[in-house]
Amino acid sequence: SYELTQPPSVSVSPGQTATITCSGDRLGDRYVYWYQQKAGQSPVLVIYEDSRWPSGIAARFSGSNSGNTATLTISGTQAMDEADYYCQAWDSSSAFVFGTGTKVTVL
Amino acid sequence: QLLESGGGLARPGGSLRLSCEAYGFTFSATAMSWVRQAPGKGLEWVAVISGGGQDRYYAESVRGRFTISRDNSKDTLSLQMNHLRPGDTAKYYCAKGRALTELGEDAFDVWGQGALVTVSS
Repeated sequence: SYELTQPPSVSVSPGQTATITCSGDRLGDRYVYWYQQKAGQSPVLVIYEDSRWPSGIAARFSGSNSGNTATLTISGTQAMDEADYYCQAWDSSSAFVFGTGTKVTVL
Repeated sequence: QLLESGGGLARPGGSLRLSCEAYGFTFSATAMSWVRQAPGKGLEWVAVISGGGQDRYYAESVRGRFTISRDNSKDTLSLQMNHLRPGDTAKYYCAKGRALTELGEDAFDVWGQGALVTVSS
C-alpha cells in the first residue's frame, strides 16, 4: 500500500516560516492536498492540487511538490496557525492516502 | 454543510449505522467519503462512493465489514458497520469530494463535525 510520511512535529516562532514535508514514492507524479485540523475541530482543506488555494484560505499558505517530497509552507506564521497538518494523495491501489500528520507549534 | 448522526457504543461483533445529511450543494454531482480518526491518532480514509452510487471502494481495514451507500433523493450518505472491532473506535467524518463525480484523484473540501463510534465490551 502507498504511504505518506510527515515529521511528527514542527516548531516555529510567530512571524517566521514553517515548513512541513510529506514524503512518498514518486509523489511528484500525483497531486498532493493539505489539511489543517485545529484541536477539537474537523479538518479544513488549505491547499489542493499541490499549490492551489481553496476559497477563503490565507495566501500565507503555499505548497509545492516535486520528486518524492511535497512541502507546505506557512509564511509569517500566526498563533492561529497552530494545528495538526495532514497531506493526502490518491493512489490507484489504496485510493485516498493520508500522511502521518505534523503538529505545528507556534512558540 | 454535512451533518452526521448515528454514532454511539457498540459491542465487539456488533453493528452500527451512520448517516450524513448534506445541505447547500448538488449532492448527486459529487463523490462522497467516510474518513475516521481514532482518539489521538491521524486521519484514515474508510470508504468512497461515486455520485451516482454505482462505484464504491473501501480501505482494506474495513472491506467486507462496512458498506457505504447513498440516497440522492434524500441527499443522504450512510455507512453500515458490521462485525465491529475495538480498533474501529474513532470519530467518523463524512467528507465531500471537491471536484469529481466518479472515483479518482481528488480532495475533500467539506467535512462534517464527526460522529463518535466506540466499540467496547
